[in-house]
Order: sequence, then C-alpha cells, then structure tokens
Amino acid sequence: QVQLQQSGTELVKPASSVKISCKASGYTFTSNYMHWIRQQPGNGLEWIGWIYPGNGNTKYNQKFDGKATLTADKSSSTAYMQLSSLTSEDSAVYFCARWAGYFDYWGQGVMVTVSS
Amino acid sequence: DIQMTQSPPSLSASLGDKVTITCQASQNINKYIAWYQQKPGKAPRQLIRYTSTLVSGTPSRFSGSGSGRDYSFSISNVESEDIASYYCLQYDNLPWTFGGGTKLELK
Repeated sequence: QVQLQQSGTELVKPASSVKISCKASGYTFTSNYMHWIRQQPGNGLEWIGWIYPGNGNTKYNQKFDGKATLTADKSSSTAYMQLSSLTSEDSAVYFCARWAGYFDYWGQGVMVTVSS
Repeated sequence: DIQMTQSPPSLSASLGDKVTITCQASQNINKYIAWYQQKPGKAPRQLIRYTSTLVSGTPSRFSGSGSGRDYSFSISNVESEDIASYYCLQYDNLPWTFGGGTKLELK
C-alpha cells in the first residue's frame, strides 16, 4: 500500500537550516508529483511547491523562493525539503502529499519549531 | 496570487443538519477547486476534486458545486465523524492557494 513516511520533529535555532524527508513506498516514486504544504500553528494551509522526482523539476510558491529547496533521491524513493535562514515564522507543521490528479496520500507531517 | 475567501470561519450544526461552506476566488478558477477535511493532529484528507467529483472513499453526503469564481461545499445529514475543519484549494493558477478554513462544531 502507498505510504509517505516523514521524518521526526525538529527543534532548530534561528538562522539555521533544516532538511526534512518524505520516504515513499508502495508505488513508483518517479511517476507522481510530490507537493509540500505548510500549516502554521492554529492557521490554515499554504502550498509551498512541488517536485517531479522523475526528472527533478520543481515549482515553488514565490513566497518560499529562497526559503525552501525541494529535492528527490530516486535511489531511496525519498523527497526532501530544506528550509533555510529559519525564523520563528517558519515554526509549523510541514506535510508532503502525492498528487495523482488530487492529493491521494499524505505524510503524517513534521513539526518544525524554531527557537533559541 | 488568487485569493480564496472561505466562509464562514466557523459553523455550528446539529447531527442530521445540512451545512454549506462557500469559497469565492478572486478570479475565475475554471472549476479547479478541491475540498479537504482536517481533524486535529492529522493530515488533511481530500474529499472532492474539480468542483464536484468525489474522490474514492468520500461518502455521498458530501457534495460540491459552482463555477467561475463562486463555489460551495455541502454536507447533508451531518454525522459526528464530520466534526473537523474544512478547506478549499484552487489549483487552476500557480501558486495554488487555500481558503482560510471552516471549523465545523456540534451545536
């Protein structure tokens, strides 16, 4: 069965970077776009961008240009998102989600807390 | 960016009620709207795509309609398991944008 398993909770310092992962299983990783979505505490959802693991193509929400970098490792069927120059505003839960004409599978989310 | 104005922000309903949530886009989104349900501490779950198509596993009491800029999502015969937050998403234009959400509570 399809699963997206995300990495664990992160507590990171301001101005640092963090790389979170989304390991896919149960399907051909290179065949579907992988999207990333942010949810700040008590807030709604924001679309960050997508990566197509088949060729590494990416598309970002301009709001996250320079903040988020999406990559994918075909050998391990894992998608990554690196967040840089972290501030308290980046404290949020980050989801990966597979696109199959709709978001049919989601990771469980990674909580990132930025605090000194 | 396309703004998605979702209303109401919160909604109180009794079991068996019909409830309706609306999303208005800042421009025509050509029916490319999806609706999600999210329960606390969980990932969202997609219920509807392309305005009115129920995704696999979505109960028939959920429905969607609309065109142009104006869209609605309804739950007929609200059940206890429907208590959650609901979001719309436009995926016609980049960047994709979500509505602000509607929290459905039991009266």
